[in-house]
Amino acid sequence: KQEVTQIPAALSVPEGENLVLNCSFTDSAIYNLQWFRQDPGKGLTSLLLIQSSQREQTSGRLNASLDKSSGRSTLYIAASQPGDSATYLCAVQGGSEKLVFGKGMKLTVNP
Amino acid sequence: NAGVTQTPKFQVLKTGQSMTLQCAQDMNHEYMSWYRQDPGMGLRLIHYSVGAGITDQGEVPNGYNVSRSTTEDFPLRLLSAAPSQTSVYFCASRGQLNQPQHFGDGTRLSIL
Repeated sequence: KQEVTQIPAALSVPEGENLVLNCSFTDSAIYNLQWFRQDPGKGLTSLLLIQSSQREQTSGRLNASLDKSSGRSTLYIAASQPGDSATYLCAVQGGSEKLVFGKGMKLTVNP
Repeated sequence: NAGVTQTPKFQVLKTGQSMTLQCAQDMNHEYMSWYRQDPGMGLRLIHYSVGAGITDQGEVPNGYNVSRSTTEDFPLRLLSAAPSQTSVYFCASRGQLNQPQHFGDGTRLSIL
């Protein structure tokens, strides 16, 4: 059974820091891994999707990497801003329609 | 672009009542799914559909029914509400494999 872990559960940093968010998964047989952002009381917004054949994806200040063999992904946020405060979730898609989610990491960026 | 639209946003029910959570998408996506989000449990898949007329169970399907008569709509029915179904429900859709999932803003449901 696929399990996705995100550690730590919460992180508080001052504005301007470069951040690394970690995600690990137990079964390397995946089609893709996605990083989402969730703001309080809102739905999930897809940030980046990395296909199993890819090593990384970039969008603006965000860079996500995937090491499928070791079951790890990282989301790098450059020059963090207060507007980056949110909960970040990673999810993997295996052989079915089911996305398996981590429990998320709550990020607070302090001005 | 409307994306994925869920209604209602909030609902309070009494135990034993039934209701339908609505979900509509305007992106012509074949794949649609329902998740529930609970504190400490993360998001869990309830039911999903790979196209009109085709549905299947997810991880936690008991107490819920779905149907998919059109590409656009994927309603979730609670047959007889129970307090354990108090949760936030999210509908999602996507196009082909390796395309990102689009989520609605959720329905916050309380069962008394």
